[in-house]
Amino acid sequence: GAVVSQHPSRVICKSGTSVKIECRSLDFQATTMFWYRQFPKKSLMLMATSNEGSKATYEQGVEKDKFLINHASLTLSTLTVTSAHPEDSSFYICSAMEGTGNTIYFGEGSWLTVV
Amino acid sequence: KQEVTQIPAALSVPEGENLVLNCSFTDSAIYNLQWFRQDPGKGLTSLLLIQSSQREQTSGRLNASLDKSSGRSTLYIAASQPGDSATYLCAVDDYKLSFGAGTTVTVRA
Repeated sequence: GAVVSQHPSRVICKSGTSVKIECRSLDFQATTMFWYRQFPKKSLMLMATSNEGSKATYEQGVEKDKFLINHASLTLSTLTVTSAHPEDSSFYICSAMEGTGNTIYFGEGSWLTVV
Repeated sequence: KQEVTQIPAALSVPEGENLVLNCSFTDSAIYNLQWFRQDPGKGLTSLLLIQSSQREQTSGRLNASLDKSSGRSTLYIAASQPGDSATYLCAVDDYKLSFGAGTTVTVRA
């Protein structure tokens, strides 16, 4: 079946640095990808919708200058957390929409710890 | 704004017992509803997708019902096994997915 790969699965970075998380659709083209954030024991929160070749659409309250999203190809979207702070530590999950949008596949998620 | 609530937040049952997980949502204008499984520290695995025109979906020991008018869905897991221990999330699609906080299930051997 279709697979979405996220990398890295775990990353630790220092405060003030930037970290990039990749989301790849391995065997299908995804014109739309989504980025979510999950705090412990909380529901997933949609951060932004990423469309190939255009600017991402951010949800209310999400800082677009802090969470940079690039969807340069039909199989790759990246989330860059800029000037990371400890409060950015979280579980980030991407998903990719296949074809006409009836099926969405999720990545395995990426744990970010900012120290 | 769509609000999705899952009750209970946690559930512990002995092996073999049937599980009933509840999901409610506030806006019934949805395209579909999905149930996911999440293992600790892992991504989501889709279990069942119910289109808005459907009343239920079944896959093996899993059965999910949807009552759009009352804004409710129920996931039934028959004859639970320790391997069913995980967090189960429901998500409502009304142009975008809105997730509940999940129900964490522990099946005791």
